[in-house]
Amino acid sequence: EIVMTQSPATLSVSPGETASLSCRASQSIKTNLAWYQQKLGQAPRLLFYGASIRATGIPARFSGSGSGTEFTLTISSLQSGDLAVYFCQQYDDWPLTFGGGTKVEIK
Amino acid sequence: QVQLQASGPGLVKPSQTLSLTCTVSGASVNSGGYFWSWIRQHPEKGLEWIGYIYNSGRTYYNPSLRSRLTISGDTSKNQFSLKLTSVTAADTAIYFCARGRAAGDFDYWGQGTLVTVSS
Repeated sequence: EIVMTQSPATLSVSPGETASLSCRASQSIKTNLAWYQQKLGQAPRLLFYGASIRATGIPARFSGSGSGTEFTLTISSLQSGDLAVYFCQQYDDWPLTFGGGTKVEIK
Repeated sequence: QVQLQASGPGLVKPSQTLSLTCTVSGASVNSGGYFWSWIRQHPEKGLEWIGYIYNSGRTYYNPSLRSRLTISGDTSKNQFSLKLTSVTAADTAIYFCARGRAAGDFDYWGQGTLVTVSS
């Protein structure tokens, strides 16, 4: 199975700054990658699919990039409401697998 | 607006069967192009895809759970269900139902239900 590794595990960022989250796949997944945001006590919300295609209603402050094995989720002008755990998920091969998540904290 | 709601017992004894149902509104589990899925999240850990049902009855399971897993659908109630047999403490998790798209991502998720395996 394809192993997804996210780093760092926790990221502490001041409001207004930029957060960069990394997701690495154990083999090439082309751009078959999704990103999700999970706030405390809530279900995950789809942010991106196709590595860089923003889902409906996601603000432009969020951007996704990458292909192959290296992917990045960037959150610019960080707001307090961005406090959450962010997961990546590959859908290039079965079984579908998720990364362990990056927790974004607000300084 | 598509909504999913998982329901079922919050406590299951070891070796017994975990049974959950997901009720869908705003979309039909009978509609083509979507994969009605179960995903779980172990405490303080990441997400694990369990399996899905599509085309009113076809299923695909995570190989790690296949021998214990059954996912079925009830189109008359617009529901789909999960049964996981011979559970252990390792099956303690929050169980989510979600709608999977053809590409493989999940665009709508239910709130999740905590299932604890304990005697």
